Amino acid sequence: GAGVSQSPRYKVTKRGQDVALRCDPISGHVSLYWYRQALGQGPEFLTYFNYEAQQDKSGLPNDRFSAERPEGSISTLTIQRTEQRDSAMYRCASSSSGYEQYFGPGTRLTVT
Amino acid sequence: AQSVTQPDIHITVSEGASLELRCNYSYGATPYLFWYVQSPGQGLQLLLKYFSGDTLVQGIKGFEAEFKRSQSSFNLRKPSVHWSDAAEYFCAVALLTGGGNKLTFGTGTQLKVEL
Repeated sequence: GAGVSQSPRYKVTKRGQDVALRCDPISGHVSLYWYRQALGQGPEFLTYFNYEAQQDKSGLPNDRFSAERPEGSISTLTIQRTEQRDSAMYRCASSSSGYEQYFGPGTRLTVT
Repeated sequence: AQSVTQPDIHITVSEGASLELRCNYSYGATPYLFWYVQSPGQGLQLLLKYFSGDTLVQGIKGFEAEFKRSQSSFNLRKPSVHWSDAAEYFCAVALLTGGGNKLTFGTGTQLKVEL
């Protein structure tokens, strides 16, 4: 079946612009996670949802970052007033059991 | 706070040779442990996982890992490496929170396979 999809795959934006990154989880998966991966590092947790409820947003670096999952399926991670330090790979994962997470291909964000 | 250490940033092995990638974790309880592989342009693929029970777990692509509580380790092994195994490998620990599963990853080990 279809895996986790993310769009866009690549995004180049100018400093100060807002960006929205989309994640479409595996159908029926209850949990959805966002991670950020800098070059040469492992992914770092940002936030996660069970259904439409945001259960943990402790990893969001500051209030420019927000996420939503209004209907318990597709999720959007929004970064306002982007800065160069926001450049990274943003990864989404979904899970049915809460234990195994299945990752999408990621969105490579470059802020110029 | 939990943490994961992968001491080897790069490893090079010859095709057909055996492989062991090291992973150590710091966590106050028995963790849930995972190994993921990341190929260029691809997402993270789950290789194997340990939750409980038998400390030697088998995964996909001929990989296995052994949980050693006394050493806080979860090393990944493969008896004979194939050229297609060249990729970046991440060890991860799960912290269960509110019914979820927040993963903490190591910094990864880049595997190069020489033909």
